[in-house]
Amino acid sequence: DVKVTQSSRYLVKRTGEKVFLECVQDMDHENMFWYRQDPGLGLRLIYFSYDVKMKEKGDIPEGYSVSREKKERFSLILESASTNQTSMYLCASNPPPGTSSYNEQFFGPGTRLTVL
Amino acid sequence: QQQVKQSPQSLIVQKGGISIINCAYENTAFDYFPWYQQFPGKGPALLIAIRPDVSEKKEGRFTISFNKSAKQFSLHIMDSQPGDSATYFCAASINTGFQKLVFGTGTRLLVSP
Repeated sequence: DVKVTQSSRYLVKRTGEKVFLECVQDMDHENMFWYRQDPGLGLRLIYFSYDVKMKEKGDIPEGYSVSREKKERFSLILESASTNQTSMYLCASNPPPGTSSYNEQFFGPGTRLTVL
Repeated sequence: QQQVKQSPQSLIVQKGGISIINCAYENTAFDYFPWYQQFPGKGPALLIAIRPDVSEKKEGRFTISFNKSAKQFSLHIMDSQPGDSATYFCAASINTGFQKLVFGTGTRLLVSP
């Protein structure tokens, strides 16, 4: 089974702090994604990566950056956390073309971040 | 700009009833339409998906109906069970190498015993 793990289930940070959210997948997937989930807004894509050191902005990249130094690990960075970044953050990965589950995104359990 | 509109926001259905969730999209280039199911404390998981070359896909009690001309698709849960209580997201994507999904806003389903 594909497993996507996220470093923390709950995180509380203060305004202005630099925050790192880590995501690891164990299935050698090339594509990885970071979303934030807010009530009434669904899942919104922050950034995605299609290979090591490659990244693309999603729909709401402002205030975030990402890092992908190894294929299995995709990090989301909040350079200076603000209260409006309080949210649930979800990481996902999906396998390369040609595999049977190519279209499927596999999600981690999420990190609920509170910025005070 | 919401490219995939989902309704209702919440839904209460009696056990054994039919749950229906609707989605509408704008971008005619979308060619893959999945539904994801999310239980509390878990990440979303793929439930069922359809491509626009068919009008219906059924997997057990779950059916997607697709209307290409109306740019709408819906999830039907037959014989709804309390264990189906979850949040459901529709999504759409263009079949590129990135599988970049655009999600609807979600529907919280509660199936009462």
